[in-house]
Amino acid sequence: QKEVEQNSGPLSVPEGAIASLNCTYSDRVSQSFFWYRQYSGKSPELIMSIYSNGDKEDGRFTAQLNKASQYVSLLIRDSQPSDSATYLCAVRGDKLIFGTGTRLQVFP
Amino acid sequence: NAGVTQTPKFQVLKTGQSMTLQCAQDMNHNSMYWYRQDPGMGLRLIYYSASEGTTDKGEVPNGYNVSRLNKREFSLRLESAAPSQTSVYFCASSEAGGLAGGPFAEQYFGPGTRLTVT
Repeated sequence: QKEVEQNSGPLSVPEGAIASLNCTYSDRVSQSFFWYRQYSGKSPELIMSIYSNGDKEDGRFTAQLNKASQYVSLLIRDSQPSDSATYLCAVRGDKLIFGTGTRLQVFP
Repeated sequence: NAGVTQTPKFQVLKTGQSMTLQCAQDMNHNSMYWYRQDPGMGLRLIYYSASEGTTDKGEVPNGYNVSRLNKREFSLRLESAAPSQTSVYFCASSEAGGLAGGPFAEQYFGPGTRLTVT
């Protein structure tokens, strides 16, 4: 079993819709959780960090964490074509473990 | 602020050749990291330096060496390149201290080096 799992996608959503990206992790003692956005041919860019159960909102992005279910998600409201990218979930235990990413496609 | 910079951006090596990838950060971060990214494998940690003067192995250290030259710079060396080392290499850095800090806290990535070994 992979330590951090994401559906590879692609997840296709129409412009203006909510995109929901999910991530599960296996290490119960993980304390910090991150979402990175990576455009094709570019480096990962940190977009959200979350450390406690519940929701954290930043603009059009909402990160949700449920440590009991070992689940973290990222919601993107009012999706735009410019949001089309691969989204990487990263979980911090004794090191930072990355998922393989979910490719999001937002079509006009 | 340039953030994290890496050189070179692209490199082609023949099997057996050696090279050093350079990384520098101007954010006064204590911790620095080297990752490789391969299709379907995600980002994998090669080596990291939690603070100046220390280095530790990550998930895939074989075939690589690192040097933390000072607080700003962290280099990755391939002594004898192999085709299996064809990859995109990213350097990253993070602050130290607190839940949001310390090794493996919020990391900021450089633009990457695309390496091909033939």
